[in-house]
Amino acid sequence: AQKVTQAQTEISVVEKEDVTLDCVYETRDTTYYLFWYKQPPSGELVFLIRRNSFDEQNEISGRYSWNFQKSTSSFNFTITASQVVDSAVYFCALNSNQAGTALIFGKGTTLSVSS
Amino acid sequence: EPEVTQTPSHQVTQMGQEVILRCVPISNHLYFYWYRQILGQKVEFLVSFYNNEISEKSEIFDDQFSVERPDGSNFTLKIRSTKLEDSAMYFCASSVTIYEQYFGPGTRLTVT
Repeated sequence: AQKVTQAQTEISVVEKEDVTLDCVYETRDTTYYLFWYKQPPSGELVFLIRRNSFDEQNEISGRYSWNFQKSTSSFNFTITASQVVDSAVYFCALNSNQAGTALIFGKGTTLSVSS
Repeated sequence: EPEVTQTPSHQVTQMGQEVILRCVPISNHLYFYWYRQILGQKVEFLVSFYNNEISEKSEIFDDQFSVERPDGSNFTLKIRSTKLEDSAMYFCASSVTIYEQYFGPGTRLTVT
């Protein structure tokens, strides 16, 4: 079965704090893709990153970084020096051969950054 | 930068009415999708469309739903007889391959 678990429902931080959003996935496929999407209050889904199962290198993009660990089936997302504009719901998602063309989303983590 | 567009942004309809949600995918994309998000819940896959036919559909996508690509640019989702539980945000997405799907801004459907 394909499943994505985001155990943190809501996180509140103060600006400039670092925050890590957790994502744990389940799949029996050896080839799969993991994604993070951001949903700001305006409602759209913004693609942030895609990572395939063969590439365990961590990635950094500005204040964002991602830690992919196959051993623990986790794909965590860290925002460094958070800003108010980072306030949004963040979704982790999985795609694999079993899932076909569908993205399987987690329930999302609501991040609130206050000034 | 090319983007997926959706119209209308908000649709209010009465139970039992038919609605058509419209999407214009990114022009060179080959795969098209519809997802829905009930308020406060996760995003759920409805259907994918490739080469002018449905590739896959979820259990949610029952006989009340249909999709169409009536011309070279539009991709529509029709709900034949809306129910209260169809109230949700509906997202269209498109992609070149099945990976890295780009989402539109969504249509909020309210069924009264």
